[in-house]
Amino acid sequence: QSALTQPASVSGSPGQSITISCTGASSDVGGYNYVSWYQHHPGKAPKLMIYHVSYRPSGVSNRFSGSKSGNTASLTISGLQAEDEADYYCGSYTSGSTPYVFGSGTKVTVL
Amino acid sequence: QVQLVESGGGVVQSGRSLRLSCAASGFTFSTYSMHWVRQAPGKGLEWVAVISSDGNHDYYGDSVKGRFTISRDNSKNTVFLQMNSLRPEDTAIYYCARETRDYGSLWAFDYWGQGTLVTVSS
Repeated sequence: QSALTQPASVSGSPGQSITISCTGASSDVGGYNYVSWYQHHPGKAPKLMIYHVSYRPSGVSNRFSGSKSGNTASLTISGLQAEDEADYYCGSYTSGSTPYVFGSGTKVTVL
Repeated sequence: QVQLVESGGGVVQSGRSLRLSCAASGFTFSTYSMHWVRQAPGKGLEWVAVISSDGNHDYYGDSVKGRFTISRDNSKNTVFLQMNSLRPEDTAIYYCARETRDYGSLWAFDYWGQGTLVTVSS
């Protein structure tokens, strides 16, 4: 089972909006709404930012939003802040040989 | 508050075994599925395994299938990962994580431990 495809890096200036894409197939992202997004600062535990495509857990800033179109899911960060600089991973349930797969990861840099 | 604390990591030779533990507290452990996720040095997250809340169902990633076994003891609020026939490519930080929804699955992980490092030497 191959990882979902994410851009290796995305950058933006403070206050700007950025979008991270997560491309899969009809057997994962396109076929199910079990898409989630995680923020990972090196040396810390990953943090759930979005689940079920577009739902935000309690305590997560509303600057983070998720969506999906076809086989591609997206995470948008609006009003970019220095603390948003981290690695971001998407993940999805899959009907393939393994039931879950993460994306390849995107490093977000705040300029 | 929800806490997950992994233990059992260390340095082990290729071909040997290791058992990781994850002690949970702050929630009704027996009603949540639990997952293991790993991150190799310089690499991304890789999903490893899941076990259902009652322990009757478990699933694995392709790279560990047949070598790793996930289990749980609901009386001790602990989930385990038995790792056999270890390979250098299993070197990683291993995290346990809680499924977001009780009595079901949204395939999202809302609480994570700090991780335990496993190093497999050749």
